[in-house]
Amino acid sequence: DGGITQSPKYLFRKEGQNVTLSCEQNLNHDAMYWYRQDPGQGLRLIYYSQIVNDFQKGDIAEGYSVSREKKESFPLTVTSAQKNPTAFYLCASSTLSGVGELFFGEGSRLTVL
Amino acid sequence: KQEVTQIPAALSVPEGENLVLNCSFTDSAIYNLQWFRQDPGKGLTSLLLIQSSQREQTSGRLNASLDKSSGRSTLYIAASQPGDSATYLCAVTPISSGSARQLTFGSGTQLTVLP
Repeated sequence: DGGITQSPKYLFRKEGQNVTLSCEQNLNHDAMYWYRQDPGQGLRLIYYSQIVNDFQKGDIAEGYSVSREKKESFPLTVTSAQKNPTAFYLCASSTLSGVGELFFGEGSRLTVL
Repeated sequence: KQEVTQIPAALSVPEGENLVLNCSFTDSAIYNLQWFRQDPGKGLTSLLLIQSSQREQTSGRLNASLDKSSGRSTLYIAASQPGDSATYLCAVTPISSGSARQLTFGSGTQLTVLP
């Protein structure tokens, strides 16, 4: 079955550590996105990529980094520079022509201890 | 800047009722509007996508309407079931880019259908 796989589902981090969240899709989508969701709030865009080896900052990119070495993969690194990293992180993908329709992974919950 | 509001933040109804969820947006220059469902601790599932030229979309017991001029959309759920309990989010794509990367999300309505 085609879909988006995020791992790990739960992750605990000590302050000052970098962590990487994995996102893999087998939908053959060109575009991939990372969103952050905080309780009672809508999703906020962190980074997005429309093509391999290219990505752009979203609304809240500070303290995060990404790479897009393969079409299927778009990992997100939460660095120690992110002041409030505890959140639910969602990866999504879409075709470039299928404007607006996003397909989401199951999410990764990061907790900073 | 586009703002999307969903009121109420939470709603409880008895099983079998028909119900309406509301979504309002401040900038009517949108490409499309989407409704999503989110179960606790899970990702989002797309329910309905309405293009700006459309007035409504239907899927099973769900019907979504769009009134761009008033900046409003509604999601109608007929004959609600306990399995419909989830958070429902709406999101708009601005016409300036037509790209998913600039979706603006509402904060959602948490629906509980009581058996």
